[in-house]
Amino acid sequence: SQQGEEDPQALSIQEGENATMNCSYKTSINNLQWYRQNSGRGLVHLILIRSNEREKHSGRLRVTLDTSKKSSSLLITASRAADTASYFCAASSTQGGSEKLVFGKGMKLTVNP
Amino acid sequence: DSGVTQTPKHLITATGQRVTLRCSPRSGDLSVYWYQQSLDQGLQFLIHYYNGEERAKGNILERFSAQQFPDLHSELNLSSLELGDSALYFCASSVDATGSTYEQYFGPGTRLTVT
Repeated sequence: SQQGEEDPQALSIQEGENATMNCSYKTSINNLQWYRQNSGRGLVHLILIRSNEREKHSGRLRVTLDTSKKSSSLLITASRAADTASYFCAASSTQGGSEKLVFGKGMKLTVNP
Repeated sequence: DSGVTQTPKHLITATGQRVTLRCSPRSGDLSVYWYQQSLDQGLQFLIHYYNGEERAKGNILERFSAQQFPDLHSELNLSSLELGDSALYFCASSVDATGSTYEQYFGPGTRLTVT
């Protein structure tokens, strides 16, 4: 079953604008990770935020985590055409005695030049 | 380049057949994970190996099996293939034993088409 669920499922913006993607999850987590996937390629890790952190920055990326609402958001500032990709949140949780990373279905971001 | 390699890149085979997908993790990573990505199911975790031992199982069918060898490369075996097994299969690796404490590094994937 999907742990993370991204919202919106698709987003189209102009270059220079900010893009915000939201992720909701169902159970308690150890950490939440965001990945990017260019069409048909492997996923690339973007950022990891631990359950005791509320906000984290990496370059043009800003991630927030609200464990009380079981939600996270990824903000990409000053977007570029090269940011066009699918973005996945992945919730790390312990299930059945083992840790797993459970991915959402992804959100497609299109940045128009 | 993530440092994770997967072979082959593409595989076309018929229903009922058996195939083997291969993965070499990043240098120094002891954990290998296998995922299946299809349009309708998204990215599904299949199995996790750490230093040769199975650590966690996800939605892996009984027709599928995997192993990790002493040199840490891993193979995913898919047998009695069905049309619905057509998907992208990714391998990922990481440094940690637990499965999700740290980021995972993904290979380029193997695209399997079952006809």
